[in-house]
Amino acid sequence: DVKVTQSSRYLVKRTGEKVFLECVQDMDHENMFWYRQDPGLGLRLIYFSYDVKMKEKGDIPEGYSVSREKKERFSLILESASTNQTSMYLCASRTGGMNTEAFFGQGTRLTVV
Amino acid sequence: AQKITQTQPGMFVQEKEAVTLDCTYDTSDPSYGLFWYKQPSSGEMIFLIYQGSYDQQNATEGRYSLNFQKARKSANLVISASQLGDSAMYFCAMREGRIGNQFYFGTGTSLTVIP
Repeated sequence: DVKVTQSSRYLVKRTGEKVFLECVQDMDHENMFWYRQDPGLGLRLIYFSYDVKMKEKGDIPEGYSVSREKKERFSLILESASTNQTSMYLCASRTGGMNTEAFFGQGTRLTVV
Repeated sequence: AQKITQTQPGMFVQEKEAVTLDCTYDTSDPSYGLFWYKQPSSGEMIFLIYQGSYDQQNATEGRYSLNFQKARKSANLVISASQLGDSAMYFCAMREGRIGNQFYFGTGTSLTVIP
């Protein structure tokens, strides 16, 4: 069974903390994505990676960085968390084919206080 | 410009009736794929249906069908015989043909099925 696992379902962090969100997939997918979901705004892409150590900025990369040292793991880093980064974060992975869907993790609800 | 537009923030439908959720897209790439996802209140994203830009026929998956009108750049989701379990957020997404490309998502439509 296909699986994308995010390390935490809920997180509460303080302003200014460095925050790591981890995502692991077991499907040997080349592509991995981090989205942020806010009401009325849909899913907005933060970063994606199409190979180990490769990354590309999405639509809203400011305040975030990523790391992909191994194919199965894609980490999202908030260098200095701020209250406007309070959101639901979704990780996804997919193969490179045109018609293949993305598989999503269960999401991490991050609250920055 | 928005790549994916979903103009219906909320929709209501009577149980057992059909409902259409609108999606329009914007791309100059001749090769692209369109996807619909369902997100129940539990939060997981469930893939529903896919339509390729070169597909001649509209995609169907059980009670879901995709009304693909290429010239109008629309890819509406039709749910037939609505069930209470269909109440959820629905997202339209697009992948363009370039390698390693991202998925563009719309803002979603919240569907409520009324008994």
